[in-house]
Amino acid sequence: AQKVTQAQTEISVVEKEDVTLDCVYETRDTTYYLFWYKQPPSGELVFLIRRNSFDEQNEISGRYSWNFQKSTSSFNFTITASQVVDSAVYFCALSDLIYNQGGKLIFGQGTELSVKP
Amino acid sequence: DTAVSQTPKYLVTQMGNDKSIKCEQNLGHDTMYWYKQDSKKFLKIMFSYNNKELIINETVPNRFSPKSPDKAHLNLHINSLELGDSAVYFCASSQGPFDNNEQFFGPGTRLTVL
Repeated sequence: AQKVTQAQTEISVVEKEDVTLDCVYETRDTTYYLFWYKQPPSGELVFLIRRNSFDEQNEISGRYSWNFQKSTSSFNFTITASQVVDSAVYFCALSDLIYNQGGKLIFGQGTELSVKP
Repeated sequence: DTAVSQTPKYLVTQMGNDKSIKCEQNLGHDTMYWYKQDSKKFLKIMFSYNNKELIINETVPNRFSPKSPDKAHLNLHINSLELGDSAVYFCASSQGPFDNNEQFFGPGTRLTVL
């Protein structure tokens, strides 16, 4: 079965701290895609990254970085030098090919990040 | 020039009523989706349409009926609304159903059933 687990329900940090959001996934498929989305207090869902199962290279985009490890089925997200504007709910999601026809996203429960000034 | 738009943004109605939410995308995508986000922020797929054809129906009660008049539009009609239908409903679109590209989400419609 497919499943995404974000064990951290809420995280609170002070501005400029680094913070890592954990994501663990389950799938029987060998080809799959992982995503992170951000949901700020305004409510919209903003796409951050998509990574396929054959690409285990870490990715960095400004203050954001992602660590994909197939050995531990994890796709963790780190924000360096956090800012108040990073306060949001962050969702990790999975989409695979064989068991998930139609491209649906399986979302984790979300991690609510609060960055205090 | 909004990519995925939904109307209305807020919907407050009484139990038993019928209501519709409209969604339009101007990205030229073939696939559109409806997701439901409950009060605990959990997001779950409801439906997926590809080129006006239903390809995913996630055991949603048949009071919910999606309709896709063309591939740029996917509307959601809900009959006999119940308290448990209160949620935020998100429309999304992607290039295709089998390429696992990112999905672009609309701003959401907050439905409150009284």
